[in-house]
Amino acid sequence: DAEITQSPRHKITETGRQVTLACHQTWNHNNMFWYRQDLGHGLRLIHYSYGVQDTNKGEVSDGYSVSRSNTEDLPLTLESAASSQTSVYFCASSDLSTGSTDTQYFGPGTRLTVL
Amino acid sequence: DAKTTQPPSMDCAEGRAANLPCNHSTISGNEYVYWYRQIHSQGPQYIIHGLKNNETNEMASLIITEDRKSSTLILPHATLRDTAVYYCIVRVLESSYKLIFGSGTRLLVRP
Repeated sequence: DAEITQSPRHKITETGRQVTLACHQTWNHNNMFWYRQDLGHGLRLIHYSYGVQDTNKGEVSDGYSVSRSNTEDLPLTLESAASSQTSVYFCASSDLSTGSTDTQYFGPGTRLTVL
Repeated sequence: DAKTTQPPSMDCAEGRAANLPCNHSTISGNEYVYWYRQIHSQGPQYIIHGLKNNETNEMASLIITEDRKSSTLILPHATLRDTAVYYCIVRVLESSYKLIFGSGTRLLVRP
């Protein structure tokens, strides 16, 4: 079955380190998204991509970057991790093909702690 | 995308219908209403969406008022597994694929 996976599921790092979170989907969806969710709050959009070589900033993109070299993967990089980036990160994908609902399918999340 | 307003929390008894309201008074004519839910610690899950007609699927029903300024998500027979945060999102299909999440409604289904 098609799915969306994230790795690692849990990560502890130190302030100033570079961290990359992986997101891989097997639906062949064009659209991919990264969100963060802080404790007790809703999801906030970090970056998104509408296809290979396309990336766009979301509402909380400072300190994060993404690259899209193929359809299946959208890795999220924290250039220099900060304690304020401690959060749960969710990846999602969708495909607005003819007749689709543009449903976003979410991964299981990565819990990142920056010490 | 129009802003939505939802009550922060609700509860209902297991087996009864759960009716979750959403206000979107600034909705535009081409904006859809989407509902997602998030069960504790999991990624959000799509439930249903609609434009102006009422919609029903295997999970829920969506009732949109005639003026489209509000909607209600109905879980006809709530179970304990329906305890989650429910998000109402308004967006234009085909022009922006982003989802902008608000605070949602925390639904507690009581045994």
